[in-house]
Amino acid sequence: NAGVTQTPKFQVLKTGQSMTLQCAQDMNHEYMSWYRQDPGMGLRLIHYSVGAGITDQGEVPNGYNVSRSTTEDFPLRLLSAAPSQTSVYFCASRKDRANVLTFGAGSRLTVL
Amino acid sequence: QKEVEQDPGPLSVPEGAIVSLNCTYSNSAFQYFMWYRQYSRKGPELLMYTYSSGNKEDGRFTAQVDKSSKYISLFIRDSQPSDSATYLCAMSVPGGTSYGKLTFGQGTILTVHP
Repeated sequence: NAGVTQTPKFQVLKTGQSMTLQCAQDMNHEYMSWYRQDPGMGLRLIHYSVGAGITDQGEVPNGYNVSRSTTEDFPLRLLSAAPSQTSVYFCASRKDRANVLTFGAGSRLTVL
Repeated sequence: QKEVEQDPGPLSVPEGAIVSLNCTYSNSAFQYFMWYRQYSRKGPELLMYTYSSGNKEDGRFTAQVDKSSKYISLFIRDSQPSDSATYLCAMSVPGGTSYGKLTFGQGTILTVHP
């Protein structure tokens, strides 16, 4: 039981490049979400999904796309990276109707 | 104004001290209150979870919620160097797809020195 697994752990991009941050969980959790963490800003919700095939926007969705084709996976796509997207990204999951989130270890992204 | 305000610190205390961490919030619909602990270069992990007002104790940790004042606290007794971390308060509203959409404070960096 690995919990929530994020890849890659570190990534450096140039402005305008695209990439996908991967997130997988093996706990059969319905709800998955992506947060970004910036100094002085805490964790802010980017996108979330309440189940396979269902996604919705969080507080800061601009510049990011998500899809949820399976219960286990919830990738986050940056279509055209910008320096403002330099951040640490966390994927989290929870069982239905619970407010306890399990977080991954994070993906540290730098956009030059 | 942010929905949840948390003093970012940093806070530095000697080993054995009592630590008080606090958050204020503006959304009266928040019903679920959590404290997460985050070690350097790691993801947050749940430390305490409370529903509505009141106190909850778990070992050296006590969480308090005062909904009338829109104020929550986390107390750490007999603090240890291993408690050195960033502490994040988080809150959510009940109901439907709002479940699990947490609003976080900025986090307080705590260092406990021997």
